[in-house]
Amino acid sequence: DIQMTQSPSSLSASVGDRVTITCRASQSINNYLNWYQQKPGKAPNLLVYAASLLHSGVPPRFSGSGSGTDFTLTIAGLRPEDFATYYCHQSHSTPGTFGPGTKVDIK
Amino acid sequence: QVHLVESGGGVVQPGRSLRLSCAASGFTFSGYAMNWVRQAPGKGLEWVAVISYDGSNRYYADSVKGRFTISREDSKDTLYLQMNSLSPEDTAVYFCVRNQRKWELEDAFEIWGQGTMVTVSS
Repeated sequence: DIQMTQSPSSLSASVGDRVTITCRASQSINNYLNWYQQKPGKAPNLLVYAASLLHSGVPPRFSGSGSGTDFTLTIAGLRPEDFATYYCHQSHSTPGTFGPGTKVDIK
Repeated sequence: QVHLVESGGGVVQPGRSLRLSCAASGFTFSGYAMNWVRQAPGKGLEWVAVISYDGSNRYYADSVKGRFTISREDSKDTLYLQMNSLSPEDTAVYFCVRNQRKWELEDAFEIWGQGTMVTVSS
C-alpha cells in the first residue's frame, strides 16, 4: 500500500497569512493527489484534485502543486473560514490512502 | 441537487453485525463507483471499501477484509455496507462517498454524505 505523510501535523496562523502544507507519498503517484478540507463535525470537502486542479466553487486563494512523490497545498491569504483540518489523498491505486491531516488553527 | 444520505448506524455489541445504507439522489447512481470512508473519534480518515459502477469489482481495506461487504442496488439508488464481527476498533463515523468521474474506480472523492456513527461497545 502507498503510505502518505503530511507536514506539519498542525500549525497556527493569522488571517491573511500564506500557509503551505506538504504531502509526501511513499512511491510515485504521478499527479493522482487530492486535497480535502474538513471542519469539526462535518464531512470533508474536495478542494483540489489531480494535484493542481481546483474543484468547482473553491476560491482561487487555494492552490496545489507537485507530482511524483511530493506535493503542496497553499492557501494565499488565510480567511477565518479556512481554519480546518486538511487531508491529502492518493487515488493512484487501491487502497486510496489518506495523509494523517494538518490542523490549521488561529494564532 | 446531489445528495448522499447514510443510515443504519448505532450502538452494537462486539461480535455483532450491522448494515449501513446510503441513499443517493440527484445523479445517475449506476454510473459511479462508490466508497465507504470512516473516521474514528478524533482521528483521521480511513478508506474502507469501494465498489465499481457495475458492481463487478469490490476492494477492501485490510482492516475490514473478510468481515465487511460492500454492495449496491442500482434499482433503489442505494449503497450498502454489511459489517460483521464488529470490534471496538470499528467505532467511527462512516461516510458514503461518490467518486468524481463516471466509471472510474480510483478517483478523487467528490460527494460525501453527512456520515452515520457506529459505536461498538459492550
